[in-house]
Amino acid sequence: QQQVKQSPQSLIVQKGGISIINCAYENTAFDYFPWYQQFPGKGPALLIAIRPDVSEKKEGRFTISFNKSAKQFSLHIMDSQPGDSATYFCAASKASGTYKYIFGTGTRLKVLA
Amino acid sequence: NAGVTQTPKFRVLKTGQSMTLLCAQDMNHEYMYWYRQDPGMGLRLIHYSVGEGTTAKGEVPDGYNVSRLKKQNFLLGLESAAPSQTSVYFCASSRGHSMNTEAFFGQGTRLTVV
Repeated sequence: QQQVKQSPQSLIVQKGGISIINCAYENTAFDYFPWYQQFPGKGPALLIAIRPDVSEKKEGRFTISFNKSAKQFSLHIMDSQPGDSATYFCAASKASGTYKYIFGTGTRLKVLA
Repeated sequence: NAGVTQTPKFRVLKTGQSMTLLCAQDMNHEYMYWYRQDPGMGLRLIHYSVGEGTTAKGEVPDGYNVSRLKKQNFLLGLESAAPSQTSVYFCASSRGHSMNTEAFFGQGTRLTVV
């Protein structure tokens, strides 16, 4: 069962453009929503995360927008750079009980120089 | 500080063979996880552990077994490998605290079953 749906599957953006990746979740018990970045041949690494008590979190060029009522959250990469080319995964988990992470299917981002 | 280390990095198995993937973390994390990554499927949880001596099933546990005899190690076993188990396997660990649930991943093990 896919509890976190991610789109698009792939994305091509020009250097300096804005990359937007969307995720939707089903389980209202989720209360931690991280984004992971994965470069080829490497394991995923935490990029930025948000909790449902805020609607937006920004770290440098990376911003998470969170819509609790719609059960959706998105990653915005401003001024996209070729070095941002990677696969991005959204995820969701519950802080209570067991800390299982449910991941989206991933978005392969390519930023053209 | 090595973080999460997976052994081996690559392996080719014949159908029916068995093997064990080793994951070691040096961050004193309580929680450990095994995921498999397949094209278009993202990361799917195989098994996880919430502490030494405990294990639990994830989304896709069939054909795999795990053990957590020591807090720092989490082993994933394939008793009788099948071509459908060809994948990249990632181990991860986390502190599991409600204010700090970042998962740290290893570099992955690329397994091919022929």
